[in-house]
Amino acid sequence: DIQMTQSPSSLSASVGDRVIITCRASQSISNFLNWFQQKPGKAPKLLIYAASTLQSGVPSRFSGSGSGTDFTLTISSLQPEDFATYYCQQSYGTPYTFGQGAKLEIK
Amino acid sequence: QITLKESGPTLVKPTQTLTLTCTFSGFSLSTSGVGVGWIRQPPGKALEWLALIYWDDDKRYSPSLKSRLTISKDTSKNQVVLTMTNMDPVDTGTYYCAHRDTAAGNYWYFDLWGRGILVTVSS
Repeated sequence: DIQMTQSPSSLSASVGDRVIITCRASQSISNFLNWFQQKPGKAPKLLIYAASTLQSGVPSRFSGSGSGTDFTLTISSLQPEDFATYYCQQSYGTPYTFGQGAKLEIK
Repeated sequence: QITLKESGPTLVKPTQTLTLTCTFSGFSLSTSGVGVGWIRQPPGKALEWLALIYWDDDKRYSPSLKSRLTISKDTSKNQVVLTMTNMDPVDTGTYYCAHRDTAAGNYWYFDLWGRGILVTVSS
């Protein structure tokens, strides 16, 4: 199985901050990497697919980069509605594993 | 507009078989490239992919759960059914179904999800 490891697992930040969340795959997955945002009690929401393609309707303050084993999700200027848990997921091969999540909290 | 909704029992006993139904609208599971997947999330824990069924009836399962899972589709009813045998308390969690879409370059992703159904396994 391809293991997906996110860091940090949790972080505190303030509105307006720039935040970077990383995701590392245990083997190369090219750019078959998706990012999701999940708020408490809600289903995950797709933010980015193919490592860097912004899903329709997602604000441009979200961006993704990376290829191979190392990926990043960047939020350029945090907004109050961005406080949530973020998951990466590889779509390279079965099982289509998720990272353990990165919980973004208000400082 | 694509919507998906999970239904099934919210409480099952250990060793029982769980049957969940995903009823969807706004797309056809006979359209090339389309799929429906199941993902679960234990309380307070991470997401775990379980199974995926494609428009051509090809199926993929999580290897760790493959012996317990069966996914099937009824295209005429716009439904996908997931069964999981021999349920255990560790299987407690929210079960989601999701629409699989594709992009150029063989990329794919779960772009739309149901609200989920919380399944508790307890005697």
